[in-house]
Amino acid sequence: AQSVTQLGSHVSVSEGALVLLRCNYSSSVPPYLFWYVQYPNQGLQLLLKYTSAATLVKGINGFEAEFKKSETSFHLTKPSAHMSDAAEYFCAVSLGTGGFKTIFGAGTRLFVKA
Amino acid sequence: GAGVSQSPRYKVAKRGQDVALRCDPISGHVSLFWYQQALGQGPEFLTYFQNEAQLDKSGLPSDRFFAERPEGSVSTLKIQRTQQEDSAVYLCASSLARTSEAFFGQGTRLTVV
Repeated sequence: AQSVTQLGSHVSVSEGALVLLRCNYSSSVPPYLFWYVQYPNQGLQLLLKYTSAATLVKGINGFEAEFKKSETSFHLTKPSAHMSDAAEYFCAVSLGTGGFKTIFGAGTRLFVKA
Repeated sequence: GAGVSQSPRYKVAKRGQDVALRCDPISGHVSLFWYQQALGQGPEFLTYFQNEAQLDKSGLPSDRFFAERPEGSVSTLKIQRTQQEDSAVYLCASSLARTSEAFFGQGTRLTVV
């Protein structure tokens, strides 16, 4: 069985500060891991994905995430927050990149203060 | 179309009514998924189609929920005798193949009153 835990339902950072959103996963097989962003009244947009290649994954909008098997973690980071980064972020795990059901975390809402 | 299209965007139903939610996937996409997203929660898997075949419906919460994709393109999620706990955003996603990225629609927000 697979599961995802996102630590912190709300995170607040100042503009220009480091963004760190935490995600831990559980999977009985090597997982595929994803981060999605959701803006109000919008669908989910893929930020980045880990598919067993490089452990440091770079995504869109300056985000990146590092797969750490020993810690079963896939934390999302961005060096400098922008106001436009304010949104809901979801970590997700799947057995594959398509054609497999994806298990989502409960989400972390990111607030960016001016 | 350019993306996954869902209609209606908003639906208010009286308790006990039947509703039908439509998903137009990206043209040529083989895989289609439905998710339910309750307020303040992450999306939860409902069902998966590969072309017209429904390969996984393990997430459908009750027999009041029914999904179809008769021609392997447009899909409809039907909820019979709606209950207040059915209030949620219903998301549809499609992907080109088993190993391709899934693209999400904007969702249908269902409110049962």
